Amino acid sequence: EAGVTQFPSHSVIEKGQTVTLRCDPISGHDNLYWYRRVMGKEIKFLLHFVKESKQDESGMPNNRFLAERTGGTYSTLKVQPAELEDSGVYFCASSQAGTRVDTQYFGPGTRLTVL
Amino acid sequence: GNSVTQMEGPVTLSEEAFLTINCTYTATGYPSLFWYVQYPGEGLQLLLKATKADDKGSNKGFEATYRKETTSFHLEKGSVQVSDSAVYFCALGGSYQLTFGKGTKLSVIP
Repeated sequence: EAGVTQFPSHSVIEKGQTVTLRCDPISGHDNLYWYRRVMGKEIKFLLHFVKESKQDESGMPNNRFLAERTGGTYSTLKVQPAELEDSGVYFCASSQAGTRVDTQYFGPGTRLTVL
Repeated sequence: GNSVTQMEGPVTLSEEAFLTINCTYTATGYPSLFWYVQYPGEGLQLLLKATKADDKGSNKGFEATYRKETTSFHLEKGSVQVSDSAVYFCALGGSYQLTFGKGTKLSVIP
């Protein structure tokens, strides 16, 4: 069974540019999550999809971030325009049930560097 | 709100040494507790989990017991190997989102 995949693995952009990150969850997993780790800090929750619907986007830092999950399959996270403080590692995870006991399976992350 | 505090590293041990990484939490309700590991160049992998008080999670020689009375979930291994070198994250599962600690980098030297 294929795991969670993310693309690209690394992205280096200049301040003010736009970047789109992609996540493909494990097949059959209705729940998809985005997290971010800024250098030296905790991994922080950004948002949660159930199928194509946003269940909780309380962790999104501001309106420069837009997440979508068309058709309830893969998801994209767009940052427009990127700022220096957006640099970090963006993780995607997926799970079957979306409950507190459910295991979330993580992708390898996308390392975003904004110059 | 929920929070996780784990001992900050880096931690350097010799091969076959005993490992403890402390993790304590603050939470409302009855959270699940997890340890994730990130090996160099790889993503986060679930190492073990416990879903209720007094449960013990175990995997690959690692163990952690969910202690409600001390709000702790310390990770232990009796004899570490060089291949255990990684970053270890303690995490708390509330309703669905995970709350993570800052991570502890472990280096095991031969």
